[in-house]
Amino acid sequence: AQSVTQLGSHVSVSEGALVLLRCNYSSSVPPYLFWYVQYPNQGLQLLLKYTSAATLVKGINGFEAEFKKSETSFHLTKPSAHMSDAAEYFCAVSDTGGFKTIFGAGTRLFVKA
Amino acid sequence: DAGVTQSPTHLIKTRGQHVTLRCSPISGHKSVSWYQQVLGQGPQFIFQYYEKEERGRGNFPDRFSARQFPNYSSELNVNALLLGDSALYLCASSLALQNTGELFFGEGSRLTVL
Repeated sequence: AQSVTQLGSHVSVSEGALVLLRCNYSSSVPPYLFWYVQYPNQGLQLLLKYTSAATLVKGINGFEAEFKKSETSFHLTKPSAHMSDAAEYFCAVSDTGGFKTIFGAGTRLFVKA
Repeated sequence: DAGVTQSPTHLIKTRGQHVTLRCSPISGHKSVSWYQQVLGQGPQFIFQYYEKEERGRGNFPDRFSARQFPNYSSELNVNALLLGDSALYLCASSLALQNTGELFFGEGSRLTVL
């Protein structure tokens, strides 16, 4: 069965600092991987997705993620945090049959002024 | 264009009652999925419907049921509510059957069971 593990339920950075949110996946076949963001009292919004084209994926709002098969990782990064980046971030994988998307537990990002 | 819309946005029920949640997908999307998000956790898959047929079911009891209508809107029904059913219920629509692309989420229906 496919799964994702997000390391760190909370991450705090200063405005302008590097953002690094960690995600490791488990999959017996090449996965489809996603990062979603959830702002308070809202649904989830896709930041970026990996579908086996390029290993470095660029998303919206300056975020990017790198697929590393050898490490089974798909970490999310942003060079310079902005106050508006404060939200909950979810790593997700599409299951083998493609009928459901499996989400990690989430990482809440705090941005300090 | 309208996004995914869900109703009601908030509701309070008591244990043993029944609830119906509604979802309208983005125009042209034929797939609707339902997720349960308990506070502090990631969304958990409940159902996927495509072309009015159930295509996938998560690990939820039979108290949970759903259906999709000819206009692709969907209902999620939960019977005999338990305290543990308190959660944000998210509906997501997509173009295709298989989740290799983006899921478009509504803002959810927040259910509180007392």
